[in-house]
Amino acid sequence: KAGVTQTPRYLIKTRGQQVTLSCSPISGHRSVSWYQQTPGQGLQFLFEYFSETQRNKGNFPGRFSGRQFSNSRSEMNVSTLELGDSALYLCASTLSLGTGSYEQYFGPGTRLTVT
Amino acid sequence: KQEVTQIPAALSVPEGENLVLNCSFTDSAIYNLQWFRQDPGKGLTSLLLIQSSQREQTSGRLNASLDKSSGRSTLYIAASQPGDSATYLCAATGSARQLTFGSGTQLTVLP
Repeated sequence: KAGVTQTPRYLIKTRGQQVTLSCSPISGHRSVSWYQQTPGQGLQFLFEYFSETQRNKGNFPGRFSGRQFSNSRSEMNVSTLELGDSALYLCASTLSLGTGSYEQYFGPGTRLTVT
Repeated sequence: KQEVTQIPAALSVPEGENLVLNCSFTDSAIYNLQWFRQDPGKGLTSLLLIQSSQREQTSGRLNASLDKSSGRSTLYIAASQPGDSATYLCAATGSARQLTFGSGTQLTVLP
């Protein structure tokens, strides 16, 4: 079974631009979560999508948004980029273990550099 | 709000040594505790997941334990190898399926 795929792997953008990142979860997984990883803040939860609906959101400004399509693929968008948005953005595909517990599988990430 | 702490932040050991990485969390109402490995510039690889009803999980040379009452988990690595060098992260899953991560332990195994 193919793992979680993220595209593109690397991006360089300029302040003020916007960017869209894509994530395809493991086949059969309906939930996708996004995380931001920076050296200063570590790994922080952005949002989670399930069946095309945002189910949970972390503490990030409204410049960060996302969506999920009917095939479970997800995109996240960052508008009006700031230097501080430079980070590794990780997507996770969630498997329900049927006991109220979940296991998350991560993609390789998209490295975004804002100049 | 869940907070996860990992100690030590960095660890350097000679090859062949057994070692323990520590993880503590403040809210015991977790669904599971997951350990990940991250190589530089890469994504996260899931190593072990312990559900809240379990006490430990084992995979090869790795063993993870969970004590919800004390808010602690440990990852034991037996007979360490240079290929084990990476950052190890623990993460607690709450009711919202959101992972709260520790800041990681950077492990270096010296040949």
